[in-house]
Amino acid sequence: NAGVTQTPKFQVLKTGQSMTLQCAQDMNHNSMYWYRQDPGMGLRLIYYSASEGTTDKGEVPNGYNVSRLNKREFSLRLESAAPSQTSVYFCASRIDAYTGELFFGEGSRLTVL
Amino acid sequence: TQLLEQSPQFLSIQEGENLTVYCNSSSVFSSLQWYRQEPGEGPVLLVTVVTGGEVKKLKRLTFQFGDARKDSSLHITAAQPGDTGLYLCAGRWGATNKLIFGTGTLLAVQP
Repeated sequence: NAGVTQTPKFQVLKTGQSMTLQCAQDMNHNSMYWYRQDPGMGLRLIYYSASEGTTDKGEVPNGYNVSRLNKREFSLRLESAAPSQTSVYFCASRIDAYTGELFFGEGSRLTVL
Repeated sequence: TQLLEQSPQFLSIQEGENLTVYCNSSSVFSSLQWYRQEPGEGPVLLVTVVTGGEVKKLKRLTFQFGDARKDSSLHITAAQPGDTGLYLCAGRWGATNKLIFGTGTLLAVQP
């Protein structure tokens, strides 16, 4: 089973460029999340979608936008990348917003020069 | 601002030693989970606790949820090199459906 799939796995951007991180899950989960992880640190919640058609801000939403395209897909967009957005980004999903295991993708390593 | 503080941040021990990792918040958790992350991978769930005072065991790992549901601990008995990784707690408060992660504890078990 594929689980949670993120693309791309690696990306290098210049300051000011834009890009979209794609995430898809095949587990029929209702809730999806985007986190960022900086070296040696825990995960910080950027945005989440409790269910199809809804999105909400997390701890660090500034500089990002999200789209819950359908039940399977949840994308993260950087409109004007900044060096402070250099990080590893993880997409995750779970059956609903209140219970259950969070399943993660393999991560997308983004470097902004 | 991290609402979940973990301690210690780093821990390097010898194989066979015991250790405890702590996760604390000033707010009451609705539920709390512990995850383990290995380099280059996403975190993987170890356990979920929901009831104050709850104790769960997973082989050599013992998880405890505080009576007031504001704190949790993870105790590893006779640590092995395979236990090496980043241990993360994650909590949900009240009616919110945000799942917030702690600062993490990086454990290295030397053979």
